[in-house]
Amino acid sequence: QVQLQESGPGLVKPSQTLSLTCTVSGGSISSGGYYWSWIRQHPGKGLEWIGYIYYSGSTYYNPSLKSRVTISVDTSKNQFSLKLSSVTAADTAVYYCARTFGELFPYFDYWGQGTLVTVSS
Amino acid sequence: VIWMTQSPSLLSASTGDRVIISCRMSQGISSYLAWYQQKPGKAPELLIYAASTLQSGVPSRFSGSGSGTDFTLTISCLQSEDFATYYCQQYYSFPPTFGQGTKVEIK
Repeated sequence: QVQLQESGPGLVKPSQTLSLTCTVSGGSISSGGYYWSWIRQHPGKGLEWIGYIYYSGSTYYNPSLKSRVTISVDTSKNQFSLKLSSVTAADTAVYYCARTFGELFPYFDYWGQGTLVTVSS
Repeated sequence: VIWMTQSPSLLSASTGDRVIISCRMSQGISSYLAWYQQKPGKAPELLIYAASTLQSGVPSRFSGSGSGTDFTLTISCLQSEDFATYYCQQYYSFPPTFGQGTKVEIK
């Protein structure tokens, strides 16, 4: 069974870059067939898809965040990562990584447990 | 962007009840709809995709129906472990978006 685990700082200062990594176990990112997403949930709120990456490195981002987001993949470590630049308090959220089924019609079948990132000085 | 309206936002029910949650789209999405369950402090879990296909391992008391703009998630006989928040998600157009959630609480 595929498992995903997010890691990274829980506190980021305003204007800095948020950096998270998702480590995948129980399956290989480079085997293909799936995309790998980042999704966030503001405290007490709904869910927002940030973007995804394929093992080849091709990406697609939510237009609302595109100017600040970079998602990368390291197949040798079976990991993919998120960078979100110029953060503000509005970026405080629980960040999830998720395995994604479908390039054009994506839904999310396995999720990490999530990690809370707080933006505060 | 496709707008989604989930209703009700809060549903009070008892164990054994039949529960129906609605998700309405601002435009047709064929059957490109998924449902997730989220318990407090946990990640969402996929219940249903393609509007009515049960994800492996999900109990058969969960079912989904609909196409186009109107969809429903039905829990036929509510169990104690089903008290949670439920989200619909459209994946017909980019970016994929989620409904605002329906919290199912104990009556």
